[in-house]
Amino acid sequence: GNSVTQMEGPVTLSEEAFLTINCTYTATGYPSLFWYVQYPGEGLQLLLKATKADDKGSNKGFEATYRKETTSFHLEKGSVQVSDSAVYFCALSSSSGGSYIPTFGRGTSLIVHP
Amino acid sequence: NAGVTQTPKFQVLKTGQSMTLQCAQDMNHNSMYWYRQDPGMGLRLIYYSASEGTTDKGEVPNGYNVSRLNKREFSLRLESAAPSQTSVYFCASSEWTGGNTEAFFGQGTRLTVV
Repeated sequence: GNSVTQMEGPVTLSEEAFLTINCTYTATGYPSLFWYVQYPGEGLQLLLKATKADDKGSNKGFEATYRKETTSFHLEKGSVQVSDSAVYFCALSSSSGGSYIPTFGRGTSLIVHP
Repeated sequence: NAGVTQTPKFQVLKTGQSMTLQCAQDMNHNSMYWYRQDPGMGLRLIYYSASEGTTDKGEVPNGYNVSRLNKREFSLRLESAAPSQTSVYFCASSEWTGGNTEAFFGQGTRLTVV
């Protein structure tokens, strides 16, 4: 079946530091890949996505590249801010018996200090 | 735009009580999902509905039932609540459009069973 593995947190950084959160996946077929962000007390919201190999998704300074050869979709940001503190979920969506079911990783908590 | 609306936002139940979590979406999506979120476990799929009139079990369906009332509404019922069902519950919806299956989430229901 489909699965997503992402690095455990929490990840603690100082403001303006470089961020990488690793994500690898297992899936049949050709999944779409996503990063979602969850701020405290809220639901998940889409941060970025990529639908085919070598695509790069980007939003709010975050980037991730769909690497089919390494089955990875690592999230990066060059300079984090305190406001980026949140939980980040890597996810995939692919066909399963005619349905498209999102599968999520366990989430990585990011804490950014001033 | 309302998006995905869940009610209630908070609930405390006694062991053995029953309740229904309500979810409605206004984006005309065919697919709807119920997840639970627990610390260290990420998001786990309880049930999903690929389209109006169909429902299927996810990863952790025991102790729950669902109803896809119409295209907009997808409810989750706990017939006899147990402390192990203390969790944050999220409803989500999505639509498959050429590879994009972004999921839209509600704000969550924080349920405590005592």
